[in-house]
Amino acid sequence: EDQVTQSPEALRLQEGESSSLNCSYTVSGLRGLFWYRQDPGKGPEFLFTLYSAGEEKEKERLKATLTKKESFLHITAPKPEDSATYLCAVVPGGSYIPTFGRGTSLIVHP
Amino acid sequence: KAGVTQTPRYLIKTRGQQVTLSCSPISGHRSVSWYQQTPGQGLQFLFEYFSETQRNKGNFPGRFSGRQFSNSRSEMNVSTLELGDSALYLCASSLGGFGDEQYFGPGTRLTVT
Repeated sequence: EDQVTQSPEALRLQEGESSSLNCSYTVSGLRGLFWYRQDPGKGPEFLFTLYSAGEEKEKERLKATLTKKESFLHITAPKPEDSATYLCAVVPGGSYIPTFGRGTSLIVHP
Repeated sequence: KAGVTQTPRYLIKTRGQQVTLSCSPISGHRSVSWYQQTPGQGLQFLFEYFSETQRNKGNFPGRFSGRQFSNSRSEMNVSTLELGDSALYLCASSLGGFGDEQYFGPGTRLTVT
């Protein structure tokens, strides 16, 4: 069974304190891995798609990396507006159906 | 450009009834996907429509169905509502290629009593 586990479940940071969120997965092959952020009461916002081990993508203070078993979302010098729930989703090879992790709730204190 | 719109935003139904939710994608987007989000199960994929055809389907019972019109607008229907169907239903649109950026709507909050 495909599994996607995100850790930690919750993370509190001070403004400027860099950290990483983890998304580990167990699937048969990998077609793609997606990162989203979701603010309370809103739909998710697409951040990145990663396709193969070694791939990296950046957007402002966020950098996503991918290995064969996990992905990291690095947040550099976060600001309070980065507070949100970060979700990852994995699509296994041979499928187009995403399996989502439960998310990491990030709070950045000023 | 206008974002993804979903109607209605909130809905209260009684167990056993049916419900239809609507999603208008971003202009030019041909793919519409539907998701269910609950505190217990998280975000789960329901189905995806592309050019009026169901292209992918998640693991949900047949009570959940959908369709897409020629203008890419999509509807999803849930028949014989159960209490467990209470959830936030989200739709997302994209150009249609795998990995393309998806734009989510604000969701429809369905409560089944």
